Amino acid sequence: DAGVTQSPTHLIKTRGQQVTLRCSPKSGHDTVSWYQQALGQGPQFIFQYYEEEERQRGNFPDRFSGHQFPNYSSELNVNALLLGDSALYLCASSLDGREATEAFFGQGTRLTVV
Amino acid sequence: AQSVTQLGSHVSVSEGALVLLRCNYSSSVPPYLFWYVQYPNQGLQLLLKYTSAATLVKGINGFEAEFKKSETSFHLTKPSAHMSDAAEYFCAVSEAGSSNTGKLIFGQGTTLQVKP
Repeated sequence: DAGVTQSPTHLIKTRGQQVTLRCSPKSGHDTVSWYQQALGQGPQFIFQYYEEEERQRGNFPDRFSGHQFPNYSSELNVNALLLGDSALYLCASSLDGREATEAFFGQGTRLTVV
Repeated sequence: AQSVTQLGSHVSVSEGALVLLRCNYSSSVPPYLFWYVQYPNQGLQLLLKYTSAATLVKGINGFEAEFKKSETSFHLTKPSAHMSDAAEYFCAVSEAGSSNTGKLIFGQGTTLQVKP
C-alpha cells in the first residue's frame, strides 16, 4: 500500500500565477481533505471532498478550489498566487462514515511563491 | 467553535527523561482527540487517538495520553525519551456526531528536542 501520495514535492511559482497540486488517497479511502501548513504553524483546514463534491470548507478565499475525480484522487488549485500562499500543502485521506475516522497524511507539497 | 491550545512551543528533555507535551481543547460537543507527529520534511503520522472509550490511550512508540474532561486536557507523555523522538508534535480535535466529517482542528505544535 503506497499510502497517500502527493505531487509535486516542491514547487516555485511567481506572484499572480496559478498552481495545481495533486493527491492520490490511500487505497480504499474515499474522502480527501486539504490542509495548509505555514512555517512554524499547525495545519489549517482548507476543504474536504467526498463523492466528487466539496463537502466542507475552511476559512480560505475562493482563489482556493479543488476537484475530486471518480477514482477519489484530488487536485488543489490556487489562483492569483500571493507571497502569503507559500506553505506546505498537505493532503489527507480517510474513509467516510466511520466515527473518529483516522486521517492519513501525505508528505506534502512545499510551495514557494516569489 | 473548536480550538486547541498547546502549551509550550518548544520542549527540551534529556534522553531517558519523561516527556510531557500539553494540550487543552475547547469543544461544545464530545470531542475526538488526536496526537500527530511530524518529522522534518515529512507529513503527519498518527500517534494515538481518543474516541470516548478508555480515557488513557496508548499509542505507537511508547507514547500515551490521558483524556481529562474536567480539565479539558489531553496531554501526551512518554516515560523515557529517545533521540529518535525529536520532532514536531501536533494535538488535534474533531467533533463527534453524525455531522462529523473528520475535519481536524490543529494546535500550533510543540517542537520536542532530546538532548544526549
